[in-house]
Parts: sequence; structure tokens; C-alpha cells
Amino acid sequence: DAMVIQNPRYQVTQFGKPVTLSCSQTLNHNVMYWYQQKSSQAPKLLFHYYDKDFNNEADTPDNFQSRRPNTSFCFLDIRSPGLGDAAMYLCATSRAHYNEQFFGPGTRLTVL
Amino acid sequence: GEDVEQSLFLSVREGDSSVINCTYTDSSSTYLYWYKQEPGAGLQLLTYIFSNMDMKQDQRLTVLLNKKDKHLSLRIADTQTGDSAIYFCAESIKPGTYKYIFGTGTRLKVLA
Repeated sequence: DAMVIQNPRYQVTQFGKPVTLSCSQTLNHNVMYWYQQKSSQAPKLLFHYYDKDFNNEADTPDNFQSRRPNTSFCFLDIRSPGLGDAAMYLCATSRAHYNEQFFGPGTRLTVL
Repeated sequence: GEDVEQSLFLSVREGDSSVINCTYTDSSSTYLYWYKQEPGAGLQLLTYIFSNMDMKQDQRLTVLLNKKDKHLSLRIADTQTGDSAIYFCAESIKPGTYKYIFGTGTRLKVLA
């Protein structure tokens, strides 16, 4: 089945220690998104890629970076995680010119 | 403005109908979506409605859209315990912006 896969499902890191979260998709969608979702809140868009074009949200901290080496993969790098970065991180994809987004299962990040 | 509001909690008895409401402020929304999120999981698209429609039915789900009042609702018929989850409405402003505005989420609890 075509799908959006996130690895790992659970990630524990230490305060200030860089961490990378991974997302892959078999849907061949042009657009990939990263969302941050804190407990009992709506998902908050961090950035998205349209093909290789990176689009950062204005209020996304510089601590968050992303890479998309090819159509299938997208990474979220948190350079120096703080306690406030503990959250669920959701990856999503969509086809260009279609609004429907398909979400992965998420990675829950714990910062110690 | 870009606010999408939902009531936080809803509790219903198994077999009853559930109605989850959502209000949005951007009248230029093109598509409006309902997503379901189970504990610790990603978002699952349930259904969506185009802004020129006022109703859409899909098995147990009925979506009603009142554009004049900017009000969207999701009715779940014959609610089951497996329907217990958080439900998010989301709007996409126009095709190609690749950005959803999510509601605050409604936690539905189904009592046996």
C-alpha cells in the first residue's frame, strides 16, 4: 500500500543534542510537510517542500531545519533541542495542485 | 483572519449520533476537511467538502457546510466506541498554497 512512513516512532534525546527525524513516502507526491503537534493542540506547520523548493513558516525557529534529498525522503533536523521541543512531529504529503494531505503516524520526541 | 475554532470535548453514548462543530473565519476557503486522530497516532483523513457544496454524505458521516455563517459540522451516525478520538477540522485557503489551518480539535468520548 502506498503510504507515508516515519522513523523512528519514538525518539529520546538529551537537551542540546542534535536529532534527526525521518519521513519517507511511496505516494510519489511533490509536496512534503513537517508539523509539530504539542499535547492537546492542533498541528502547527513548520515548513514544506514543493519538489526541491523549501518553504519555511515565518514563526519556525532557526533551530529547526529540513532536508529533502529526493522525492521520497524528507528529514527534520533539530540542531539543539530544548525541553519545549518535546512534541509529536508529523510528516504529510500531497500532490501538487491537490489540497488533500496524507499524514504519517508521527514521531514522538522526548527531550531529557 | 485565520482562526478555526472547535469545542474541546463531546461525550455521547454508543449508538447515538455525534455532531462535531467547527467555525472558521476565512471566507476564501476552498476545501474543508475532517481528520481523526487516535491516541499516539497521525491524522487520518475522514472526509472533505468543497466550498461550493453544502452537504456531503459518506456512509456514517455527514458533513454540513454553511458558508454564510462559516460553520462546518461533522455528524457521525450510530457512533461506536472505535470512534473515540480527537477530530480536527481544517481549511485550505486556495489551491496551491499548500497550507492548512487546523482547528483546535474536539475530543470525542463514546460511552458504552
